Amino acid sequence: RKEVEQDPGPFNVPEGATVAFNCTYSNSASQSFFWYRQDCRKEPKLLMSVYSSGNEDGRFTAQLNRASQYISLLIRDSKLSDSATYLCVVNGNLDTGRRALTFGSGTRLQVQP
Amino acid sequence: ETGVTQTPRHLVMGMTNKKSLKCEQHLGHNAMYWYKQSAKKPLELMFVYNFKEQTENNSVPSRFSPECPNSSHLFLHLHTLQPEDSALYLCASSQVGGQGGSPLHFGNGTRLTVT
Repeated sequence: RKEVEQDPGPFNVPEGATVAFNCTYSNSASQSFFWYRQDCRKEPKLLMSVYSSGNEDGRFTAQLNRASQYISLLIRDSKLSDSATYLCVVNGNLDTGRRALTFGSGTRLQVQP
Repeated sequence: ETGVTQTPRHLVMGMTNKKSLKCEQHLGHNAMYWYKQSAKKPLELMFVYNFKEQTENNSVPSRFSPECPNSSHLFLHLHTLQPEDSALYLCASSQVGGQGGSPLHFGNGTRLTVT
């Protein structure tokens, strides 16, 4: 099982739609969770951290379900500018026992006019 | 300058060349990272430096050699690369306390093509 697993998409949605992405992780001891956004041929940029109680930032809502080991990202009222790849990021254990952030392969979102 | 800056943005090199990638962070962070992103693959962690000491080498071939002279600068020295090493190489930094998990701030990346 991959450490961090995401549906690659693409998700094609019309402007104004609500879209949700899920991400599952394998390490039950993971403590930190993030969503990053990556535009084509650009570097990933932090979109939001994910807190245990769930959190919202404008049109974006992130939730964490520790029991089922998944996190989600909900985007309301999609804009054309939301088109990007969304990366799920979890702190995971390396072979040495130390932790580092592990990235999912990303879910591609295409918002259409 | 602010954030994390990487140079060069693009690099084309032959298999026998030697080149270096440079990264500089202006965020006051204490950890720096090299990641590799190949087409349709997740980011792969290559190296981690905490307080300029290498703490992780994620089974990276010796043709990639990192150097961290201080907590603000990170280099990746390249020699005798293979065509499959062509990828986007991303530098990142973070503020680490304990076992990490702080968000990463990425540079623009160096798009490397090995011919």
